[in-house]
Amino acid sequence: EAGVVQSPRYKIIEKKQPVAFWCNPISGHNTLYWYRQNLGQGPELLIRYENEEAVDDSQLPKDRFSAERLKGVDSTLKIQPAELGDSAVYLCASSSHGGLENIQYFGAGTRLSVL
Amino acid sequence: SQQGEEDPQALSIQEGENATMNCSYKTSINNLQWYRQNSGRGLVHLILIRSNEREKHSGRLRVTLDTSKKSSSLLITASRAADTASYFCATASLYNQGGKLIFGQGTELSVKP
Repeated sequence: EAGVVQSPRYKIIEKKQPVAFWCNPISGHNTLYWYRQNLGQGPELLIRYENEEAVDDSQLPKDRFSAERLKGVDSTLKIQPAELGDSAVYLCASSSHGGLENIQYFGAGTRLSVL
Repeated sequence: SQQGEEDPQALSIQEGENATMNCSYKTSINNLQWYRQNSGRGLVHLILIRSNEREKHSGRLRVTLDTSKKSSSLLITASRAADTASYFCATASLYNQGGKLIFGQGTELSVKP
């Protein structure tokens, strides 16, 4: 069974440029998460989807970040414009359900460097 | 915001020794999970312990949970070089929008051959 697939693995951009990340979750997983992980820290949730619906986007900086999950499968996360402080690893995860005992499966992440 | 605080931040041991990592959290939880992250990779789920459980085992892993002290520990016995990774605790609580996991800052474990 294929795991969570993310692309690209690395991205280097100049500040004020746009950037997009793509995630393909495990087949059949209804719940999808986007996290940001700063160096030496644990992941912090940006947005959580149940199928196509964003059920928790309270930590998403909506002035520059946007996300979508078309048809409840693949998802993209966009930053426009990027700032120096956005440099981090962006992780996508999925789970079969979003309940309290959900076990999340993570992709390898996209390492973003903003110059 | 990160609920869990992990201790130590870094741990270096020899192969064959045991490794113990601790996690403290702030609010009541439904369950606590431990994840491993190898360098440059995503997180991998290791074990889940419910709030009404005190101890759980999985292979060489032993997890304890003390809800009165709001703390958990992860013990890896007979460590191997392949155990070198960062380990994160994550909590799930009814007070944190259902299935949302809040991760600690992690313990970086180095196992020397």
